[in-house]
Amino acid sequence: SQQGEEDPQALSIQEGENATMNCSYKTSINNLQWYRQNSGRGLVHLILIRSNEREKHSGRLRVTLDTSKKSSSLLITASRAADTASYFCATGSGTGGGNKLTFGTGTQLKVEL
Amino acid sequence: DAGVIQSPRHEVTEMGQEVTLRCKPISGHNSLFWYRQTMMRGLELLIYFNNNVPIDDSGMPEDRFSAKMPNASFSTLKIQPSEPRDSAVYFCASSTHGRVRNQPQHFGDGTRLSIL
Repeated sequence: SQQGEEDPQALSIQEGENATMNCSYKTSINNLQWYRQNSGRGLVHLILIRSNEREKHSGRLRVTLDTSKKSSSLLITASRAADTASYFCATGSGTGGGNKLTFGTGTQLKVEL
Repeated sequence: DAGVIQSPRHEVTEMGQEVTLRCKPISGHNSLFWYRQTMMRGLELLIYFNNNVPIDDSGMPEDRFSAKMPNASFSTLKIQPSEPRDSAVYFCASSTHGRVRNQPQHFGDGTRLSIL
């Protein structure tokens, strides 16, 4: 079953705007990760945030984590057409879940010129 | 550096036939994962291995599916007999595994399987 649920399911914005995607999960986690998937390709890891961290940045990406609300958000600033892809959150449950990740349902982002 | 390599990229076959999907993980990675992706069910974990040993196969749909990892550089996912509902994109991913769990996974580009 899917632990992570992304919101919105689809998002369409203009180039240069910011894109925000949200992820909610149900159980305690070791870390939360975000991945991107371009059409016809495999998932690519973007960023990892540990359960004891609240915010993390990587280039134009900003991730926040609120473990009390069991939610995370991914912000892409100054979006580009090349950011068009599906974005997935994935949670790692640590000891109880072994080494596996549980992926959410994804947000389809379209950045228009 | 070579990433995760999957073969074939596309497979079209008739129902009832045996299908074998192949995966070469990144050298040095000791965890390997098989996923299935469909529009209806999203990305599902089928099975994963640590150090060539199957750890969790609870996602394998039924006995028609089997997976092996004979060595650290090769894994197969076999479907026998195949059915139209097995049509999906199958991904292999690998990661490191040790004291720190839930490491980032590196995905291959998948095998698009169509069962007619």
